Amino acid sequence: NAGVTQTPKFQVLKTGQSMTLQCAQDMNHNSMYWYRQDPGMGLRLIYYSASEGTTDKGEVPNGYNVSRLNKREFSLRLESAAPSQTSVYFCASNSGNSNQPQHFGDGTRLSIL
Amino acid sequence: AQSVTQLGSHVSVSEGALVLLRCNYSSSVPPYLFWYVQYPNQGLQLLLKYTSAATLVKGINGFEAEFKKSETSFHLTKPSAHMSDAAEYFCAVKGGATNKLIFGTGTLLAVQP
Repeated sequence: NAGVTQTPKFQVLKTGQSMTLQCAQDMNHNSMYWYRQDPGMGLRLIYYSASEGTTDKGEVPNGYNVSRLNKREFSLRLESAAPSQTSVYFCASNSGNSNQPQHFGDGTRLSIL
Repeated sequence: AQSVTQLGSHVSVSEGALVLLRCNYSSSVPPYLFWYVQYPNQGLQLLLKYTSAATLVKGINGFEAEFKKSETSFHLTKPSAHMSDAAEYFCAVKGGATNKLIFGTGTLLAVQP
């Protein structure tokens, strides 16, 4: 039972390089989310997709783009990586009903030099 | 607007002692509240959720939380700490028209032998 799968698990980039983080869920969930986690700051929402075909900005969207490729997949792209984007990135999904919890992947640990 | 405050970024208890992790929320609408746990190098796992049914909510691993509207609190407790409870704990609130979760900054629980 895979749940939410994120790839890659680790990545090191140089400043200015681009990269796409992949996320897929097998729970037939409507809504998907991208967060970043930084020490002492909890999780902050970057972008979310309430349903297939829609995406919206979260709290910290600058420097990122997203694509909801289909119902299963939601990717996060860094067009020109900056050291401030060094973080742990988590993808999550839920059914879209507001009383249902979000299910999280194991994260992508991204370092930008 | 919704917000969450977790008092105490680090809490240390002895094995067998009571665990109390504090969470206060702000919400303009009746909230849905969640506690998540994060073990090292893993994603977040749901411990328990409050969705306007019983005010005392029981979760996994012996944890429970009580919703107190008058105090705008949703503190997490466990009667007897175990070494395996050492992890970071996040309180989150969802409310309003969207399904976005707002996370607290987390509390790192250490359990001393």
